[in-house]
Amino acid sequence: EAGVAQSPRYKIIEKRQSVAFWCNPISGHATLYWYQQILGQGPKLLIQFQNNGVVDDSQLPKDRFSAERLKGVDSTLKIQPAKLEDSAVYLCASSARVGWSTDTQYFGPGTRLTVL
Amino acid sequence: AQSVTQPDIHITVSEGASLELRCNYSYGATPYLFWYVQSPGQGLQLLLKYFSGDTLVQGIKGFEAEFKRSQSSFNLRKPSVHWSDAAEYFCAVGAGSGGYNKLIFGAGTRLAVHP
Repeated sequence: EAGVAQSPRYKIIEKRQSVAFWCNPISGHATLYWYQQILGQGPKLLIQFQNNGVVDDSQLPKDRFSAERLKGVDSTLKIQPAKLEDSAVYLCASSARVGWSTDTQYFGPGTRLTVL
Repeated sequence: AQSVTQPDIHITVSEGASLELRCNYSYGATPYLFWYVQSPGQGLQLLLKYFSGDTLVQGIKGFEAEFKRSQSSFNLRKPSVHWSDAAEYFCAVGAGSGGYNKLIFGAGTRLAVHP
């Protein structure tokens, strides 16, 4: 079974530029998550989709971050414009069912973003 | 508010020695608890999880964890560490209501293994 795929793996941009990350979850997984992991910290949830609907985006900086999950499969996370403090690893995860707290979340390898 | 504390930022052990990584949580209801491992350049991999029942949980790679409600702890243990266990370990609590869930992670413990 293929895991969660993310691209690109690394990205370096100047501040105020825009950037987009892509995630392809495990086939058939209903729930998709984007986490931000700043160096020296644990991952922090940015947004959660159930199928193609957003169920939690309380920690997403909506003035600069946006995300979508078209057709309930792939997802993109965009930052526009980027700030220095956005430098982090962006992790995508998926889980099989909707609304089950006991379901395992499977993580992709992440995209390491450096903002100069 | 829900939170997870991992008191040890960095731990070094010798290969073959035993290991215990500490995790304390704050959560109002019965917690769902997880341990993940992250190797350099890799995503997080689930080691084990606890929902209910037996408080001693067995996981992959020879790891186990014990849930102690009275101490709000979920410590990870391994009787004999291998060099390949060097990685960062994250404890997490599953939180959420109304049909959705999220993981709240601790800051992680970085494990180094001496040969």
